[in-house]
Amino acid sequence: EAGVTQFPSHSVIEKGQTVTLRCDPISGHDNLYWYRRVMGKEIKFLLHFVKESKQDESGMPNNRFLAERTGGTYSTLKVQPAELEDSGVYFCASSHNRVEQYFGPGTRLTVT
Amino acid sequence: GENVEQHPSTLSVQEGDSAVIKCTYSDSASNYFPWYKQELGKRPQLIIDIRSNVGEKKDQRIAVTLNKTAKHFSLHITETQPEDSAVYFCAASKTSSNTGKLIFGQGTTLQVKP
Repeated sequence: EAGVTQFPSHSVIEKGQTVTLRCDPISGHDNLYWYRRVMGKEIKFLLHFVKESKQDESGMPNNRFLAERTGGTYSTLKVQPAELEDSGVYFCASSHNRVEQYFGPGTRLTVT
Repeated sequence: GENVEQHPSTLSVQEGDSAVIKCTYSDSASNYFPWYKQELGKRPQLIIDIRSNVGEKKDQRIAVTLNKTAKHFSLHITETQPEDSAVYFCAASKTSSNTGKLIFGQGTTLQVKP
């Protein structure tokens, strides 16, 4: 069984630019989560999809972040316009039961 | 708000020694406690978890204990090996919630010296 995949693995952009991160969950997992780890701090929850619906987006920092999961399969997280403080590692995780969560390798975003 | 405190932030042990990482959670409604291991450049990997109806769980050289009254849980690694070197994260969640979002500790960097 393939694990959670994320693309790209690294992204370096300038402040003010736009970046889109992609996550492909484990096949059959309805639950998809986005998390972020900034500057070696704890991994923080951003939002949760059940199929194509946003179940909880309480962790989204501000309206520069937009997450979508059209069709209930893969998800994208767009940051527009990017700011310096958005730098960090963005993780995606998926789950079949909202309990055990399996993580992707992350996308390291650097905003210069 | 909900938070999880994890200690120590770094831990260095000799190969063969034991390592213990401790976490404390704030939300008494939390009932699921996973531990993740992240090796350099790799994904966080779920290595063991415990639910609130159990006090201890073992899997070969790793074990987790839970004290619901004190709201803390710990990871124990025995007979450490160099391949145990990684960053370990504890987390807590409420399975009764409609999301199951994980609240993570700050991470512990474990170094096992050969």
